[in-house]
Amino acid sequence: QVQLVESGGGVVQPGRSLRLSCAASGFTFSSNAMHWVRQAPGKGLEWVAVISCDGNNRNYADSVKGRFTISRDNSKNTLCLQMNSLRAEDTAVYYCARDPKGGYSYGWGAFDIWGQGTMVTVSS
Amino acid sequence: EIVMTQSPATLSVSPGERATLSCRASQSVSSNLAWYQQKPGQAPRLLIYGASTRATGIPARFSGSGSGTEFTLTISSLQSEDFAVYYCHHYYNWPPWTFGQGTKVQIK
Repeated sequence: QVQLVESGGGVVQPGRSLRLSCAASGFTFSSNAMHWVRQAPGKGLEWVAVISCDGNNRNYADSVKGRFTISRDNSKNTLCLQMNSLRAEDTAVYYCARDPKGGYSYGWGAFDIWGQGTMVTVSS
Repeated sequence: EIVMTQSPATLSVSPGERATLSCRASQSVSSNLAWYQQKPGQAPRLLIYGASTRATGIPARFSGSGSGTEFTLTISSLQSEDFAVYYCHHYYNWPPWTFGQGTKVQIK
């Protein structure tokens, strides 16, 4: 079945790095733009980053620009989020989510498939 | 950045009653508006996209309406499994995409 499974979360000290992964299955991964969305404890949803279906285009929320990098490997059906210079305010559950369209010139859609999320805690 | 504002923050409804949730965009998002349901400890689930189209497997008691800047999610007869937090989300044009702050639907 169509599925997204995140991994890589954990507890990390401020200023350190962490790399999240999202394994996709059950669909043609290379056809879809992919997003990362996060949710701080007890708070709402915040869009973090997007990458086009072919990996050629990407965008970030201002809150993470210059610190986070989104990437994908279509040969391995894997999405990644490299998080550097982590701050306490980055503490959240991180979800990967599928866009039904390819993104950019391919168009955008609602996020139709979500992973279960992985928790990132930034604390000394 | 387009700001999405949901109201009310909390809605107390009895089972079997109708619930009406509102979402307002700070500028037009056309019909590029989605609604998600989130239960505690779970990922969001897509309910409505294109402002009014139900996602696969979503019961007919969920309906969406609106376009431009004003949108509504209606749950016609609340079931026990519908008590949750609901978010609206625009996916209009370029990033950044934004979500509303959520409406919690709780048992009255």
